[in-house]
Amino acid sequence: GAVVSQHPSWVICKSGTSVKIECRSLDFQATTMFWYRQFPKQSLMLMATSNEGSKATYEQGVEKDKFLINHASLTLSTLTVTSAHPEDSSFYICSAPYRGALNQPQHFGDGTRLSIL
Amino acid sequence: GQQVMQIPQYQHVQEGEDFTTYCNSSTTLSNIQWYKQRPGGHPVFLIQLVKSGEVKKQKRLTFQFGEAKKNSSLHITATQTTDVGTYFCAAAGNMLTFGGGTRLMVKP
Repeated sequence: GAVVSQHPSWVICKSGTSVKIECRSLDFQATTMFWYRQFPKQSLMLMATSNEGSKATYEQGVEKDKFLINHASLTLSTLTVTSAHPEDSSFYICSAPYRGALNQPQHFGDGTRLSIL
Repeated sequence: GQQVMQIPQYQHVQEGEDFTTYCNSSTTLSNIQWYKQRPGGHPVFLIQLVKSGEVKKQKRLTFQFGEAKKNSSLHITATQTTDVGTYFCAAAGNMLTFGGGTRLMVKP
């Protein structure tokens, strides 16, 4: 079945480092991917919608310059957390709707646990 | 915008007891989806409901979509320790909006 691969699974780095997270659709094309953030024991918070070939759409309160999204191809979206600080530590998850439409079931990546020291 | 309320936030049950989580939307939905997230894992799609009043079953799990297509429920019969996790509903208008989730804990 359709699979979404997310890399890396874990990142531990120093404050001020920029971290890139990749999200790939392995056997289907994804013109749209979603990026979520999840704090411990809380729900999924949609950060942005990544669109292939155009700018990402960010949710209110999410800093565009802080969380850079690039959707370079039909199978790859990247999220770069620039100059990360401890408050950026969280679980970041990407997803893609495998039937294409934005309101259809989504496949999620395994997530990336980001810890900023 | 669309708001999705999911209750309860947490539920502790004894193994063998039943469990139900409820999801309510402020708007009429095109469909509703349910996901399960195991501790330390990522959400996994369980099922999609599309029709008014629809009921679907997956083994011990029963999913219902309300007649007005604004609410849904997930019922687990005779819970097992493998049911532990957080269950999210996702309400579909033009986009998907996730509920806050219900965290299920099962005591063996």
